[in-house]
Amino acid sequence: NAGVMQNPRHLVRRRGQEARLRCSPMKGHSHVYWYRQLPEEGLKFMVYLQKENIIDESGMPKERFSAEFPKEGPSILRIQQVVRGDSAAYFCASSPKLAGDYTGELFFGEGSRLTVL
Amino acid sequence: DQQVKQNSPSLSVQEGRISILNCDYTNSMFDYFLWYKKYPAEGPTFLISISSIKDKNEDGRFTVFLNKSAKHLSLHIVPSQPGDSAVYFCAAKGSGGSNYKLTFGKGTLLTVNP
Repeated sequence: NAGVMQNPRHLVRRRGQEARLRCSPMKGHSHVYWYRQLPEEGLKFMVYLQKENIIDESGMPKERFSAEFPKEGPSILRIQQVVRGDSAAYFCASSPKLAGDYTGELFFGEGSRLTVL
Repeated sequence: DQQVKQNSPSLSVQEGRISILNCDYTNSMFDYFLWYKKYPAEGPTFLISISSIKDKNEDGRFTVFLNKSAKHLSLHIVPSQPGDSAVYFCAAKGSGGSNYKLTFGKGTLLTVNP
């Protein structure tokens, strides 16, 4: 019974390169959320997606960041032209229904740790 | 603007004693509160939650208390065990259109000494 799977677990990029982080939700979950944890900070909401739809991207930086959750395959968080300030842990979470519609918790993956040199 | 505050970055207790982790919030629209536990290099895992219509929720060794008037909640762990050593995050969400968003505090590192 696999949980939320994220890869890569660790990613090192040089400034200006692209980073792609992948997330496969738990089986039966169709709602995906991405959170970012900067050093010494709590997790901050970035984006909420359902299959083929971005529902809420209000937490995404306006430039360089994008997310998708295609009909087939994992959700992808893409960061173009990375800068040192993008170094963080990126966590993906999933839920079987809209997280606000029930009082159940989100199920988080182990995170992808991005280091920008 | 930090809407969920965990003012103690760390807490150390002896095995068998009580651990009390505190959390304050500023947004009166929050109506559901959760505690997550996180081990190093792992993702947060859900621990316990409480609705704003309650003032206490208990699950085994874990109890969460909510004081709405003070906008304060606390997590009690009794008795504390070495395996409880982890970072504990307080999180909150509101009702309305964005009720799926969790707002997290910065976390409290709990160390339980044998």
